[in-house]
Amino acid sequence: EVQLLESGGGMVHPGGSLRLSCAASGFTFPTTAMTWVRQAPGKGLEWVSVIGGSGVNRFYADSVKGRFTISRDNSKGTVHLQMDNLRAEDTAIYYCVKALNKPGGQWGQGTLVTVSS
Amino acid sequence: DIQVTQSPSTLSAYVGDRVTITCRASQSVSTWLAWYQQKSGKAPNLLIYQASSLESGVPSRFSGSGSGTEFTLTISSLQPEDSATYYCQQYEGYPLTFGGGTKVEI
Repeated sequence: EVQLLESGGGMVHPGGSLRLSCAASGFTFPTTAMTWVRQAPGKGLEWVSVIGGSGVNRFYADSVKGRFTISRDNSKGTVHLQMDNLRAEDTAIYYCVKALNKPGGQWGQGTLVTVSS
Repeated sequence: DIQVTQSPSTLSAYVGDRVTITCRASQSVSTWLAWYQQKSGKAPNLLIYQASSLESGVPSRFSGSGSGTEFTLTISSLQPEDSATYYCQQYEGYPLTFGGGTKVEI
């Protein structure tokens, strides 16, 4: 059974940092691209970042480029999102997604990030 | 960036109705388009990938069609459990982009 468990969310002041983690199991992690998607309260879905299976290929939304860094540890089955210089508009539920838009794709339950003074 | 526009934003229908949601891309995405269903308070679930391929386990009343810039998601006979918000998403190129969503009320 595929499991994706996000952690690391919480409340932070503007300009602060958080590191989100996603622990994955139940599938061949090293060959699977992993994605972060976020959803601001009451709003739609926004793609944030993706990392390929080897960790070499990484892409970011313009809204987070230069502030967020995606990484993965294939030996531990984890993917991370380091979020620096956070802004109020980064407030959202952050979802870890296995194989976005592919057969067998699955979403975690999400972790809430609140950026507020 | 490829913009994706969904219509309508809200849809009210009855059980048994045939429902269609439209998604338009600002440039051709070939068939690199997916549809997701999100029920209130839950994470989204994949319904359709590559414009018309039904994800395993998804009821056959859901279908997708289209290519290029215009796509549709059809629910052939609306059921009470289909009350949700539906999103399309293009993956022709980065940044990936989602439509604004269509809330289906029953």
